[in-house]
Amino acid sequence: DAGVIQSPRHEVTEMGQEVTLRCKPISGHNSLFWYRQTMMRGLELLIYFNNNVPIDDSGMPEDRFSAKMPNASFSTLKIQPSEPRDSAVYFCASSFQLNEKLFFGSGTQLSVL
Amino acid sequence: KNEVEQSPQNLTAQEGEFITINCSYSVGISALHWLQQHPGGGIVSLFMLSSGKKKHGRLIATINIQEKHSSLHITASHPRDSAVYICAVREFGNEKLTFGTGTRLTIIP
Repeated sequence: DAGVIQSPRHEVTEMGQEVTLRCKPISGHNSLFWYRQTMMRGLELLIYFNNNVPIDDSGMPEDRFSAKMPNASFSTLKIQPSEPRDSAVYFCASSFQLNEKLFFGSGTQLSVL
Repeated sequence: KNEVEQSPQNLTAQEGEFITINCSYSVGISALHWLQQHPGGGIVSLFMLSSGKKKHGRLIATINIQEKHSSLHITASHPRDSAVYICAVREFGNEKLTFGTGTRLTIIP
């Protein structure tokens, strides 16, 4: 298995632009998590899905952030409009079930200028 | 709110030394994770444990539920062990992980 696949690896955009981050979980995994990592706040959970259904999005910073999981093999995290304070590394992770070992993607380094 | 504290924040050691990284948390948990983040940024889950001890190669993780404390040990440390080690805990009835701030380990040849 190729592991959790995220794209793009790096994204540089200007303030106000829409940004879409993509994630392909490991095949057969039922749970998917989006995390954000910054120097100031470390790793934070943004949202997680179980069986494609969003379970808890209380970590999503504000309405500019949205996430979808249209099927078991694909999820997106969208920021519209983006702001410089959104600059961070965004990680996607999946697990076979909730409460099980997490497998992380390589992350997307987002820079909003 | 669960507070997760790691110590030390930074650790530099010579190759071959025995390494211990500590994690303490403040409320009851259902599981604790140890993660490794290499300089390139990728995150690997090393252990998930809820009691006792787990071992994988040169790495050993222990947890004491009563004392709300976990340790990660590395035996015969090697420069490739240089990374940030992050402790994360999951509270009962909550799928969210609360993360520690990490321990930056540097092993000198």
